[in-house]
Amino acid sequence: QLQLQESGPGLVKPSETLSLTCTVSGGSISSSSYYWGWIRQPPGKGLEWIGSIYYSGSTYYNPSLKSRVTISVDTSKNQFSLKLSSVTAADTAVYYCARLVREYGVTGWFDPWGQGTLVTVSS
Amino acid sequence: EIVLTQSPGTLSLSPGERATLSCRASQSVSSSYLAWYQQKPGQAPRLLIYGASSRATGIPDRFSGSGSGTDFTLTISRLEPEDFAVYYCQQYGSSWLTFGGGTKVEIK
Repeated sequence: QLQLQESGPGLVKPSETLSLTCTVSGGSISSSSYYWGWIRQPPGKGLEWIGSIYYSGSTYYNPSLKSRVTISVDTSKNQFSLKLSSVTAADTAVYYCARLVREYGVTGWFDPWGQGTLVTVSS
Repeated sequence: EIVLTQSPGTLSLSPGERATLSCRASQSVSSSYLAWYQQKPGQAPRLLIYGASSRATGIPDRFSGSGSGTDFTLTISRLEPEDFAVYYCQQYGSSWLTFGGGTKVEIK
């Protein structure tokens, strides 16, 4: 059974870079059928897609965050990572990683999801 | 960007009742590329429906999805106690993936 687990600091200072890693277990990140994605959810609010990556390294980002987001993959470790720069309090959220099941081109639905990790931006 | 608007914001129903949740897109979602998720407090979202009407593995048949174009519906035929949660729709007809704002189904 595929499982995803987010890891990284729970507290980041304003203007610094948020860094998270998602470790995939129970399956290979190098499957041609899937992308891998990051989604976030501010406390008490809805879901926002951040971006997705293919095992080859091809990436697709939310245009509203693109200037600050970098997603990378390490197939040797079965991991992918998120970096979000110049963070503010508005970036405080639960960050989820998930497998994106490709239906059409680079898009699809998310299943399964990691449990999520809360990242707070505060000095 | 395809904006998804979910209604109502909150649905107050009793166990055994039928729930009908709406997801309306700002432009047509190609090939009915729409998914539904259930989220309970403190948990990650769980996939229910993809392709507008296909149930994900292990999802009970009281959950059904329908619709096309700009109007989509998630129906829960008879609410079980474990179905009270927040439900989100997500479109993947565009490379800019977007979610609706959610509908909370609460116990009346």
